[in-house]
Amino acid sequence: AQKVTQAQTEISVVEKEDVTLDCVYETRDTTYYLFWYKQPPSGELVFLIRRNSFDEQNEISGRYSWNFQKSTSSFNFTITASQVVDSAVYFCALSEAQGAQKLVFGQGTRLTINP
Amino acid sequence: DAGVIQSPRHEVTEMGQEVTLRCKPISGHDYLFWYRQTMMRGLELLIYFNNNVPIDDSGMPEDRFSAKMPNASFSTLKIQPSEPRDSAVYFCASSLGRYSGANVLTFGAGSRLTVL
Repeated sequence: AQKVTQAQTEISVVEKEDVTLDCVYETRDTTYYLFWYKQPPSGELVFLIRRNSFDEQNEISGRYSWNFQKSTSSFNFTITASQVVDSAVYFCALSEAQGAQKLVFGQGTRLTINP
Repeated sequence: DAGVIQSPRHEVTEMGQEVTLRCKPISGHDYLFWYRQTMMRGLELLIYFNNNVPIDDSGMPEDRFSAKMPNASFSTLKIQPSEPRDSAVYFCASSLGRYSGANVLTFGAGSRLTVL
């Protein structure tokens, strides 16, 4: 069975601090996809990134970066120089690569950036 | 494209009433998903369709829930009769199915259901 664990329920930091959101996953598949989604206070779910299990290169997009480590089954998300607009709930998700297209989500981490 | 469109955005009803939630996926997307979000259970998949055919409905809580997709541009999620524990935000999402492996789900704005 697939499972995603986001152990940090809530994180609160002061603006401009760096913050890392942890994600640990479980799957028996050798090929799979990992995702991060953002849910701002307005409630919609916004796609941030997708990685496949064969690509362990870290990725950077502006102030966002992702660290994928298969050895520890982790896919962590770092926001550098956080801003108030980064305040949201962030979800990590997992999908098998063959057959089903469905995503299994973690419980989410509520991130609050204080001015 | 207007994205995934859900209606109504908010619904308040009384226990025992029938509730119908609607979804219009992105044109050309082959997959449609219904998710439910609650504080206790987080985001859970209820059912998904591929080319209008239900593929996996194992997440549907019970017989009070039903979902249909009569054509590629419309789906409904119906709860009859509704109960207070059905109160949640219901999300519809769609994705392309042209490649093997997981595709990016685009979510609608959600329908917030309150059952009194």
